[in-house]
Amino acid sequence: EAGVTQFPSHSVIEKGQTVTLRCDPISGHDNLYWYRRVMGKEIKFLLHFVKESKQDESGMPNNRFLAERTGGTYSTLKVQPAELEDSGVYFCASSSETGPPYEQYFGPGTRLTVT
Amino acid sequence: EDQVTQSPEALRLQEGESSSLNCSYTVSGLRGLFWYRQDPGKGPEFLFTLYSAGEEKEKERLKATLTKKESFLHITAPKPEDSATYLCAVGSSGNTPLVFGKGTRLSVIA
Repeated sequence: EAGVTQFPSHSVIEKGQTVTLRCDPISGHDNLYWYRRVMGKEIKFLLHFVKESKQDESGMPNNRFLAERTGGTYSTLKVQPAELEDSGVYFCASSSETGPPYEQYFGPGTRLTVT
Repeated sequence: EDQVTQSPEALRLQEGESSSLNCSYTVSGLRGLFWYRQDPGKGPEFLFTLYSAGEEKEKERLKATLTKKESFLHITAPKPEDSATYLCAVGSSGNTPLVFGKGTRLSVIA
């Protein structure tokens, strides 16, 4: 079974530019989460999809971040325009609605550097 | 607000030298405590879920235990390949987001 995949693995952009991160969850997982780790800090929640619906977006820092999940499959996270403080590692995780509760499986992350 | 504190921040062990990592938590209603392992440049890898005080789980040289206020990850006779950052996280209900600690960076020296 393929795990959670994320693309790109690294992205370096200038302040003010736009970047789109992609996440493909484990096949059949209805729950998809985005998290972020800023240097020196803990991993923090951004938002949660159940299928194509946003269940909880309380962790989104501001309206420069836009997440979508097309047809309940893959998800994208767009940052527009990017600011220096957006630098960090963005993780995607997925979990099954019917399997053991709360076991979230993480992707390898996208390292975003805003210069 | 749910909170997780891990200690120590970093731990250096000789190969074969057993030790424990601590995860203290405050949560409105614990539904699950999770341990993950993270290697450099990779995402967190799931290790264990503990659901109630008194529960224990083992995997190879790792053993996780849970009380009402904290969890321990015991590492018995560690090997260099156990070197990684170990993350603790809590979930308060259903499939809600996890709240993570900062992790413990473990180095095992041959």
